Amino acid sequence: DGGITQSPKYLFRKEGQNVTLSCEQNLNHDAMYWYRQDPGQGLRLIYYSQIVNDFQKGDIAEGYSVSREKKESFPLTVTSAQKNPTAFYLCASNKRTGIEGYTFGSGTRLTVV
Amino acid sequence: GQNIDQPTEMTATEGAIVQINCTYQTSGFNGLFWYQQHAGEAPTFLSYNVLDGLEEKGRFSSFLSRSKGYSYLLLKELQMKDSASYLCAVRIHSGGYQKVTFGTGTKLQVIP
Repeated sequence: DGGITQSPKYLFRKEGQNVTLSCEQNLNHDAMYWYRQDPGQGLRLIYYSQIVNDFQKGDIAEGYSVSREKKESFPLTVTSAQKNPTAFYLCASNKRTGIEGYTFGSGTRLTVV
Repeated sequence: GQNIDQPTEMTATEGAIVQINCTYQTSGFNGLFWYQQHAGEAPTFLSYNVLDGLEEKGRFSSFLSRSKGYSYLLLKELQMKDSASYLCAVRIHSGGYQKVTFGTGTKLQVIP
């Protein structure tokens, strides 16, 4: 079955360390997205990519980096420059027409200790 | 920028009908989505509207008025499993790219 896989489900990081969250999809979707969700704040867009080797900053890109070397993969690195990284991170994908809505991964809950 | 408003919380009774409203202010509007999200889980797609009018899908319907910047999600014959957050999201077209911005969500509690 096609889907979108995020790993790991739970991640603990020490302050000052970079960490990379994995996102892989086998839906043949062109576009992929990273969102962050904090309690009471809804989903906020970090980065998005609508084609391989191209990506755009979202609304809260500071302290994050991404790459899109393959259509199937869109990893997110949370750097030490991100001041408040503890959150629920969601990866999503869709076709470029986008009328079907996003397919979301199951999310990664990152906690800084 | 974009501004999306929806109520924070709502409570409704099992078997009843509930309407969740969403208002938005944005440029480059290119469609509105509704998602359902159960606690601790990823959102799931419910509906998409880009033209004015009502879209019906089983117990769920979604309405859009582009001129008023207004949408609602209507849930009929409420079931306990409908207790979840409902997210309104607006897609905009800007500079050759399309991106989706979410509202903060409406937490719906269905009571017996």
